[in-house]
Amino acid sequence: DGGITQSPKYLFRKEGQNVTLSCEQNLNHDAMYWYRQDPGQGLRLIYYSQIVNDFQKGDIAEGYSVSREKKESFPLTVTSAQKNPTAFYLCASSIDVRNTEAFFGQGTRLTVV
Amino acid sequence: QKEVEQNSGPLSVPEGAIASLNCTYSDRGSQSFFWYRQYSGKSPELIMFIYSNGDKEDGRFTAQLNKASQYVSLLIRDSQPSDSATYLCAVNPGGMNAGNMLTFGGGTRLMVKP
Repeated sequence: DGGITQSPKYLFRKEGQNVTLSCEQNLNHDAMYWYRQDPGQGLRLIYYSQIVNDFQKGDIAEGYSVSREKKESFPLTVTSAQKNPTAFYLCASSIDVRNTEAFFGQGTRLTVV
Repeated sequence: QKEVEQNSGPLSVPEGAIASLNCTYSDRGSQSFFWYRQYSGKSPELIMFIYSNGDKEDGRFTAQLNKASQYVSLLIRDSQPSDSATYLCAVNPGGMNAGNMLTFGGGTRLMVKP
């Protein structure tokens, strides 16, 4: 089955820790995206990648980092510099950035404890 | 800042009625428009997209686009309790340039009462 897989589904982080959220797709899509969703809010773009070894900041990139070493994978690291990381994180992919019919993974809910 | 606006709701309709969800956008040059449905605690799923002015029908769903007035709407006919969810409008400016990302509205929560 083709799709996007995010892991873990739930993640707990202590203050001052870095954590990495996984996103893998087998749809052969060039473009991948990370969004953050806060309760009752829409989606805000953190980072996106158009192609392997390339990525660009979105609207709220501060405190986050990404890598795109493989086409299939686009992990997101939430660093200790992100002061309010508790949120629902969604990874998505599309054929390319011009064709933005995006498909989403099941999400990771991150909570700071 | 490109903006997409939706009434947060909740929009409450009785079962069997037509639910009408509206979305306005600020970038007049926007070219493609998407409606996603998101159940509580789940990820968004694409239900409709529209590129041209007018109506596009898919089963019980109809997307309507009016570029002159900069709004896009989603009609759900014969609403069912299973349609109760948050509906996200997303807009893409289009074109060949990098950075033409989807901009999402805040979503409208729909409640269909039996």
